[in-house]
Amino acid sequence: DIQMTQSPSTLSASVGDRVTITCRASQSLSNWLAWYQQKPGKAPKLLIYKASILETGVPSRFSGSASGTEFTLTITSLQPDDFATYYCQHYKTYFPAFSFGPGTKVDIQ
Amino acid sequence: EVQLVESGGGLVLPGGSLRLSCAASGFTLNSYLMSWVRQTPGKGLEWVAHINQDGSEKYYVDSVKGRFTISRDNADNSLYLQMNSLTAEDTAVYYCARLAIWSFDNWGQGTLVTVSS
Repeated sequence: DIQMTQSPSTLSASVGDRVTITCRASQSLSNWLAWYQQKPGKAPKLLIYKASILETGVPSRFSGSASGTEFTLTITSLQPDDFATYYCQHYKTYFPAFSFGPGTKVDIQ
Repeated sequence: EVQLVESGGGLVLPGGSLRLSCAASGFTLNSYLMSWVRQTPGKGLEWVAHINQDGSEKYYVDSVKGRFTISRDNADNSLYLQMNSLTAEDTAVYYCARLAIWSFDNWGQGTLVTVSS
């Protein structure tokens, strides 16, 4: 089974910082990889799908990229509204199933 | 505006059953695959099941196979999750989510299921 890992698990940052979160898979994945933002008590919100496509309405400071088994979410200039937990999610095409990474919490330094 | 509203959660005894409902509005339900995703503090987010547009294909995570059944009523704009033989490990917030391009693009607010004696 494909295992998803995220690093770091927690990240302390300041407003204006460039932030990078990495999602790695135990084996090569398709580009069916999505990123979500979740705030306490709220449902996750889709930010990026198919590894690098920005969901409608999501600010352009968010971006995604892929390289082999490594996927990256970058926030170019962290804003107060961005302090949250971020999850990656993969879709496994050969057996219809989805898996989520364990999450990365971005908090205020 | 897309809206997904879950209901049916609550406290249930181990071995008991519960049926979750999700009322969809603001889009044409029969055009989309739909899913249930659950979240616990310990295990994070976990896909539970999804169903294709006409309900003919259903897929489940191994831990719920044979116990949970996903279904839909497109005429009533509703998605369901019948949960039987519940255990403490099923305790979670359950989200109804719309699938698009193999990602969950809209989510409900969630409904809490607690399995405890």
